[in-house]
Amino acid sequence: AQSVSQHNHHVILSEAASLELGCNYSYGGTVNLFWYVQYPGQHLQLLLKYFSGDPLVKGIKGFEAEFIKSKFSFNLRKPSVQWSDTAEYFCAVNAYDAGNMLTFGGGTRLMVKP
Amino acid sequence: DADVTQTPRNRITKTGKRIMLECSQTKGHDRMYWYRQDPGLGLRLIYYSFDVKDINKGEISDGYSVSRQAQAKFSLSLESAIPNQTALYFCATSDPTAAGGHLYGYTFGSGTRLTVV
Repeated sequence: AQSVSQHNHHVILSEAASLELGCNYSYGGTVNLFWYVQYPGQHLQLLLKYFSGDPLVKGIKGFEAEFIKSKFSFNLRKPSVQWSDTAEYFCAVNAYDAGNMLTFGGGTRLMVKP
Repeated sequence: DADVTQTPRNRITKTGKRIMLECSQTKGHDRMYWYRQDPGLGLRLIYYSFDVKDINKGEISDGYSVSRQAQAKFSLSLESAIPNQTALYFCATSDPTAAGGHLYGYTFGSGTRLTVV
């Protein structure tokens, strides 16, 4: 079965700082990869997703993520964070031959100080 | 109206009580899911249903049951609530019929915050 690890549970940054959140997964087959964001008191929303092609994918609100197959990683980045990026971020993996089920990482809580 | 609606939004119940969380969707998706969210553990799958006649246990189904009353409705029940079932519960839907067959994402409801005292 696939698993997803997010190594940073809590991250605190100042506005304009750069962000990188780590995500590693364990599965040897073809995967689809997602990052979701959960703003305080809200439901999960899709930030970006990777299925195939260019391993650098761009999502909403200036976020991007890079799929590195050899490292089983899909790290989320943003060059300059804003206070409004304060949220919890979840990485998720869907194994192509596992019934298209999503497995989520434990989440990273980001706080951006104004 | 929201695509995926969960009721109630918040609930406090006593240990041993039976409680039902409801989920309805207007997306027309066949697949529906129930997750619980706990700090540091992310979202864990409780049950999922690929259509009205297909219901499957997820990672943490013990202590829970579900009912898929219609394509649009998927209810989660706690038969005898216990304090460690205190969590945020999310319903989600998906449609795997997009191009490529496996290209899809989930649509989440706003969640139900359940506290068992």
